[in-house]
Amino acid sequence: QSVLTQPPSASGTPGQRVTISCSGSNSNIGNNYVYWYQQLPGTAPKLLIHRSNQRPSGVPDRFSGSKSGTSASLAISGLRSEDEADYFCAGWDDSLTGPVFGGGTKVTVL
Amino acid sequence: QVQLVESGGGVVQPGRSLRLSCAASGFTFNIYAMHWVRQAPGKGLEWVAVISFDGSNTYYADSVKGRFTVSRDNSKNTLYLQMNNLRREDTALYYCARASGYRPSYDYWGQGSLVTVSS
Repeated sequence: QSVLTQPPSASGTPGQRVTISCSGSNSNIGNNYVYWYQQLPGTAPKLLIHRSNQRPSGVPDRFSGSKSGTSASLAISGLRSEDEADYFCAGWDDSLTGPVFGGGTKVTVL
Repeated sequence: QVQLVESGGGVVQPGRSLRLSCAASGFTFNIYAMHWVRQAPGKGLEWVAVISFDGSNTYYADSVKGRFTVSRDNSKNTLYLQMNNLRREDTALYYCARASGYRPSYDYWGQGSLVTVSS
């Protein structure tokens, strides 16, 4: 059971906007940054969002992150077939004194 | 370009030991903290351990504390994970990942090294 809670799946048609939630507590999301990763099948995860809402160089602006209280969200706008992947949220947990991950959300492009 | 290449994985019996290595290249290794993150087959990501840039500080997930040891040799640009008393639940793909600190902001990952614990 993961410390951060994500829905197991999400889907949308090409061009749609899909949002993935990540729920935590005051010991993690509430007081720390959130990070989002995309994992394409058979590959290592790739950093999509850092510091809750910052995109690393090279990440399309179709991907955006936000945080409010003890929850965070990743939005994918203009959904494309190549966005079909698993998405994980992560953060630092003050109580556990270490990083924690969400269980992952599988995004399907219909 | 930045490269992280893990090695040392394999099939091992419960209770035995294994050492993973992560060879780094393309960046100044001795200024970055390094993490190990694992992924059980078909499951999510789990943080395992972190070591500071100079090796002076290490932290572990509760699930591996007392059994795993992370270390680094900055003269060889290599990260290690010594895994002792392995359990079936340690079966996973083990990734090394680069971070600027202890937070899970991993900008580069290796391809992973598969560890299978089975009798």
